[in-house]
Amino acid sequence: DIQMTQSPSTLSASVGDRVTITCRASQSISTWLAWYQQKPGKAPKLLIYKASSLESGVPSRFSGSGSGTEFTLTISSLQPDDFAAYYCQQYKSYPLTFGGGTKVEIK
Amino acid sequence: EVQLLESGGGLVQPGGSLRLSCAASGFTFSSYVMSWVRQAPGKGLEWVSAISGSGSGGSTYYADSVKGRFTVSRDNSKNTLFLQMNSLRADDTALYYCAKDTCTDTSCYCDYWGQGTLVTVSS
Repeated sequence: DIQMTQSPSTLSASVGDRVTITCRASQSISTWLAWYQQKPGKAPKLLIYKASSLESGVPSRFSGSGSGTEFTLTISSLQPDDFAAYYCQQYKSYPLTFGGGTKVEIK
Repeated sequence: EVQLLESGGGLVQPGGSLRLSCAASGFTFSSYVMSWVRQAPGKGLEWVSAISGSGSGGSTYYADSVKGRFTVSRDNSKNTLFLQMNSLRADDTALYYCAKDTCTDTSCYCDYWGQGTLVTVSS
């Protein structure tokens, strides 16, 4: 199975900050990577697929990059609505696997 | 508008069984791969199972942690996804989400999610 490792597990930031979350795969997954946002008590929401493609309706301050085993999710200017947990997921092959998550907290 | 509504969760004793359902609307259900993803209290997301659409013969996929105990199925005439869970254990306690998938040649990601149904395994 492909293991996904996210870092950091928790991130404290202020409104307006640039935030970067990293996701590493245990083997190459090309660009078969998705990012999700989850707010407390809510279902996850798809932000990015194929490593860098923005899902429809997602603000342009979110961006994704990377290929192979190293990926990043960047929020260019953190907004109050962005304080949430973020997960990466590989979909190169079954079983699908998620990273452990990154909680973005208010500094 | 895509809507996914899970039901069937509840409290069950270890070793027991439960059947989850997910009623889908707003898209051509039979054409899409569907997944189950769970989240234990205070923990991260864990993919559980997936089933292909009608065009791919209903192929099924499972996480190692549930293989042999859980069975995914679908009724395309009723736009409903199921998860039959047997031999339940305490570590199966989680909020279970149903998700619609969008697929590449090799695999799929979840583009729409339901709100989840809670399964608690405890004596």
